[in-house]
Amino acid sequence: GAGVSQTPSNKVTEKGKYVELRCDPISGHTALYWYRQSLGQGPEFLIYFQGTGAADDSGLPNDRFFAVRPEGSVSTLKIQRTERGDSAVYLCASSVRGGYTDTQYFGPGTRLTVL
Amino acid sequence: GNSVTQMEGPVTLSEEAFLTINCTYTATGYPSLFWYVQYPGEGLQLLLKATKADDKGSNKGFEATYRKETTSFHLEKGSVQVSDSAVYFCALSDESNGNKLVFGAGTILRVKS
Repeated sequence: GAGVSQTPSNKVTEKGKYVELRCDPISGHTALYWYRQSLGQGPEFLIYFQGTGAADDSGLPNDRFFAVRPEGSVSTLKIQRTERGDSAVYLCASSVRGGYTDTQYFGPGTRLTVL
Repeated sequence: GNSVTQMEGPVTLSEEAFLTINCTYTATGYPSLFWYVQYPGEGLQLLLKATKADDKGSNKGFEATYRKETTSFHLEKGSVQVSDSAVYFCALSDESNGNKLVFGAGTILRVKS
């Protein structure tokens, strides 16, 4: 079956602009996660959705970052007033239920470059 | 808080050599442990996992055993191939920490023919 997909695969923007990154999880997966991976580092957690609600947004670095999942499937990560430090690969993952034993399946990521 | 520490790379080996990548963790609860792999130009994919103490995860000739007494989950393979060249990430997920994955920094493995 289809895996997790993310669009766009690459996004180049200018400092101060607004961007939206989209994630389409595996069909039927209720849990959806966003992570950010900087060069040479492991992914870092941003936010976790269970269904339509954000169950844990403790990883969002500041109020410029926001994410939604209005129908419990596709999710959009929104970044306002982008800064050069936001440049990274943004990863989306989904799992069946969101339990701590569940495997999280990752998408290919969106590489964001802020000039 | 929860954390994962894995050995620094890069690790460079000749084909058919024995591989060990060390991983230790700190967790407030009883975590599940994972090894993910990132091949060049590809996304993260699960290599193996173990969800309770003394469990052994295995896949593609790789193994790791969940050792609660030493808080470790070392990755091993008896005979590496050039195609194993990738970045390997150790990670944990803990119910007391909201089930998010906490990753180590990753270890680059290079296998020479």
